[in-house]
Amino acid sequence: GAGVSQSPSNKVTEKGKDVELRCDPISGHTALYWYRQSLGQGLEFLIYFQGNSAPDKSGLPSDRFSAERTGGSVSTLTIQRTQQEDSAVYLCASSTRQGAGSAFFGQGTRLTVV
Amino acid sequence: GQSLEQPSEVTAVEGAIVQMNCTYQTSGFYGLSWYQQHDGGAPTFLSYNALDGLEETGRFSSFLSRSDSYGYLLLQELQMKDSASYFCAVRNGGSQGNLIFGKGTKLSVKP
Repeated sequence: GAGVSQSPSNKVTEKGKDVELRCDPISGHTALYWYRQSLGQGLEFLIYFQGNSAPDKSGLPSDRFSAERTGGSVSTLTIQRTQQEDSAVYLCASSTRQGAGSAFFGQGTRLTVV
Repeated sequence: GQSLEQPSEVTAVEGAIVQMNCTYQTSGFYGLSWYQQHDGGAPTFLSYNALDGLEETGRFSSFLSRSDSYGYLLLQELQMKDSASYFCAVRNGGSQGNLIFGKGTKLSVKP
């Protein structure tokens, strides 16, 4: 596609439920990033995929969070047993291997846990 | 580890020039990037400096001093639409490492 696509754009879930957030990166981009952003705050790094290398999971806040990337393309971020503090906008970005500092972001998924 | 420091807020008037600073600490430096984010929107890439000096793109310029671990984003001829948050970012631990962002500077442009 023309840009990074994320779905759903909005998700309201009950505390304790599991949620899956999807990211479809720009075709040909080998790097894929997930970030979390609370209202008025910065971008908190979650996880990073680069080609066939092992993902950098150092930003995942707890073992309730996991992500996978299938076929070097689409990625799914899963949050199990959601808590109210998980409410935030989840942003996905992708870049080429030679993309240096330029990553392209999707519009994000706004997650609300009630 | 990596850390980036940015002032939290800056206010300027339309037509003026504003400079937003970023200082960083990182192991293995691979360039400093700048992103713009309007309220409710996604971050968009503005500029990237791998080497010392000034990079200019229209009204936007970005500067880097590797010896001082310091960079800034300069906006000229400010417009109301420039009101947004501006984030600096560095690669973490390698040229193919993930991108770590500062907490951002919220720029408010007044008429």
